[in-house]
Amino acid sequence: EVQLVESGGGLVQPGRSMKLSCAASGFTFNNYDMAWVCQAPKKGLEWVATISYDGSSTYYRDSVKGRFTISRDNAKSTLYLQMDSLRSEDTATYYCARHFNYGSYGDWGQGVMVTVSS
Amino acid sequence: DTVLTQSPALAVSPGERVTISCRASESVSTLMHWYQQKPGQQPKLLIYLASNLESGVPARFSGSGSGTDFTLTIDPVEADDTATYYCQQSWNDPFTFGSGTKLEIK
Repeated sequence: EVQLVESGGGLVQPGRSMKLSCAASGFTFNNYDMAWVCQAPKKGLEWVATISYDGSSTYYRDSVKGRFTISRDNAKSTLYLQMDSLRSEDTATYYCARHFNYGSYGDWGQGVMVTVSS
Repeated sequence: DTVLTQSPALAVSPGERVTISCRASESVSTLMHWYQQKPGQQPKLLIYLASNLESGVPARFSGSGSGTDFTLTIDPVEADDTATYYCQQSWNDPFTFGSGTKLEIK
């Protein structure tokens, strides 16, 4: 059974940093591109960042470029999202997701809440 | 960015047939996918590549469309289908989601 378990969320002040982790199991982690998708309270889904299966390529939505860094440790089957210079508009639930056929997201974690507030 | 437009809400009775639409601002070929998100839960993939049923998803769900117009059909609807349904395209960068259609079962 595929499992994606996020951790590291919570309350953080504007301008500060936070690092999210996603522990993967039940599949060969280093065979799949992985992504972070966020959902602001009562809002829709928004892609944040993607990393290729081997970590050689990364992609970001414009609003987080230069502030967020996606990375992975294939030996530990873990995905990360380093979030710097956080803003109130980054407040959201962040989901770790496994890329599936042709850019869909086949599996999702339960999500972790990040609240940016003073 | 490719904008995906969905109607905000629908209400149907159990046993009825419901179609949820998604219109793209530009062609996405058939790289359209559908997700179900129940309250307090993570999204779940239902349909990929416009019309392919994800493993384990009931055959009551089906998808169709290409280019800019897509539909998700549930037939027949059951009470457990209460959820918000999102479309997502992966033809144009960045990948984008629709704003979601909230389905209420009367």
